[in-house]
This record gives sequence, structure tokens and C-alpha cells, in this order.
Amino acid sequence: DTAVSQTPKYLVTQMGNDKSIKCEQNLGHDTMYWYKQDSKKFLKIMFSYNNKELIINETVPNRFSPKSPDKAHLNLHINSLELGDSAVYFCASSLTGASWNSPLHFGNGTRLTVT
Amino acid sequence: KNEVEQSPQNLTAQEGEFITINCSYSVGISALHWLQQHPGGGIVSLFMLSSGKKKHGRLIATINIQEKHSSLHITASHPRDSAVYICAVIKGGGSNYKLTFGKGTLLTVNP
Repeated sequence: DTAVSQTPKYLVTQMGNDKSIKCEQNLGHDTMYWYKQDSKKFLKIMFSYNNKELIINETVPNRFSPKSPDKAHLNLHINSLELGDSAVYFCASSLTGASWNSPLHFGNGTRLTVT
Repeated sequence: KNEVEQSPQNLTAQEGEFITINCSYSVGISALHWLQQHPGGGIVSLFMLSSGKKKHGRLIATINIQEKHSSLHITASHPRDSAVYICAVIKGGGSNYKLTFGKGTLLTVNP
């Protein structure tokens, strides 16, 4: 009964490939997010969706395309993978957009390695 | 300069010691998160606070909005507290917000 689950946990692929990471939450939350954690462990917001609508797109290359088929799912598709895309990608959700009474719940992360 | 600065970057303590991790920010915020990331990589939200102080078990978080500063304290530290502690500030609210993270403080508690 994992609250926020992402798959796969590890993803190793070659430059130029296209890959997807899936995220599902069973908390009934309205808002979902993708974060990227780089090699220096620095977390940065990539996207947020509220009820399937894109709210935030933080200067992410358009090779990254989030898709939210319903408010419980937010998938991340990456085209033409580059070496610099290697990172850990975290999905998260919150009841409403982040505010003082709406904590974030994180998935366990997907470690993407591009060779 | 990052909008959110944490100190120290690394902290090593002996079991039982009182720990303080600091977070300073340079922008107006609506709330602040303290997160814990264990060596296995999972991230857990410890506290969200917009004023005053919150306590959960051995963990205490305080925030001073006027001084743009928050602290996370751990009393009677234990090796299982070893993790990266991340401060994140929230600007705006509802679904229109921005979450900015500090670079984290790596805490190691030795037995």
C-alpha cells in the first residue's frame, strides 16, 4: 500500500534513447510533481500538475514531457537522452499545491544512468 | 548565491549529542519544509511550518519569519538519525507556488 510509487527504481540506457518513468499516488492528492536530484544531491523542481493541469514547468528542456492521464498518475517521458540527464528523479504529491498545511509525499526515486 | 542556505554542510556527532541544523533564506516565503533523505535515497517530509515551533518525538523545528531563519534540532541523537536533512522554502500558495531547496546537511551520528 505504497503511497507514492515510481517505476522503475533503476534505469540504465544509452544516449539518444527515449525512456519513461511512471508515478502513481494512492493518497487522493490533487497535485503531483517531478523533481530532479543531481550528482551533488541538489533537488530542483521540474514540473507540477494540479488535477491533470500543468502548473509549473521550470526551464526544463522540451525533451522532457510530463503526462498526467488522471490526477493519480504523472509520468515523465524523456526523448533523446543525454549524459547530463543522469540523475535521480523523484515524484511527489500533495493534497493541494504546496502550502503550510499540505506536506509533500515522495516516491523512492528513479536512478537514471545514461551511458 | 542560492536563495536557501543551510549550515553546516556536514555534521558529525556522537550518539546522545544535541544537534542543530540551520537554514537561512533570502526571499519572502509562505512556509518552510524540513525533509530527511536516508542513505537509501528515500525522502520523507519531517515538518512544514510557517511560524513558531513544531515538535515530533526527538525532533524540533523552529522558524523566525522576520529573521528569515529556521532551525532543526535533534535531541539525544542516535545513529539512525544519520541522513541528509534538507530545508525547502515555499513561495506563493495553492497550486501556484515555487519550492526552492537548500543543498542539504549530511549528518553522521556515531555510536
